[in-house]
Amino acid sequence: NAGVTQTPKFQVLKTGQSMTLQCAQDMNHNSMYWYRQDPGMGLRLIYYSASEGTTDKGEVPNGYNVSRLNKREFSLRLESAAPSQTSVYFCASRSGFYEKLFFGSGTQLSVL
Amino acid sequence: QQPVQSPQAVILREGEDAVINCSSSKALYSVHWYRQKHGEAPVFLMILLKGGEQKGHDKISASFNEKKQQSSLYLTASQLSYSGTYFCGPQETSGSRLTFGEGTQLTVNP
Repeated sequence: NAGVTQTPKFQVLKTGQSMTLQCAQDMNHNSMYWYRQDPGMGLRLIYYSASEGTTDKGEVPNGYNVSRLNKREFSLRLESAAPSQTSVYFCASRSGFYEKLFFGSGTQLSVL
Repeated sequence: QQPVQSPQAVILREGEDAVINCSSSKALYSVHWYRQKHGEAPVFLMILLKGGEQKGHDKISASFNEKKQQSSLYLTASQLSYSGTYFCGPQETSGSRLTFGEGTQLTVNP
């Protein structure tokens, strides 16, 4: 039972490069989320998807795009990476808004 | 606007108690609490629903006052394993959006 799987676990980019963070869950959850975590800043919501086919901006969406490819997968894309996007990224999912979140193990991203 | 957590950090000796507070500026349906160990993903502790209910998890309990839009997490007789960063996530009454406070770093020393 994998739960929420994020890939890659580590990534180093140069400023201006693009990349996509992948997230997949095998729990048939409706809602999926992307958070970033910087030291002392807690978890900040980037984008979320309440259900398949819908996406909404969170607290810090600038510089990111998302795709809810199907019910299982929710990807986060950085079109032109900036050093300010150096962070740990967590994907999470849950079955409904009254349910708990299940987190992936995170992606450590460094932008040089 | 992010929920407000206090204190930002607390240091305890094993066996001591602590309270972590969380407040929101918006009407709430429920409040989530999670704990994160260094280098790991957050782990779910509990959800409190409307009705002012208190829930417990071992020696960790919490309360939720939806009228005041506040929740508190109570850690009694703290153990070394309680060390970590605690996050509250107030769930607004509409939609799936879930944001978190900046966290409270709890350190329990022998």
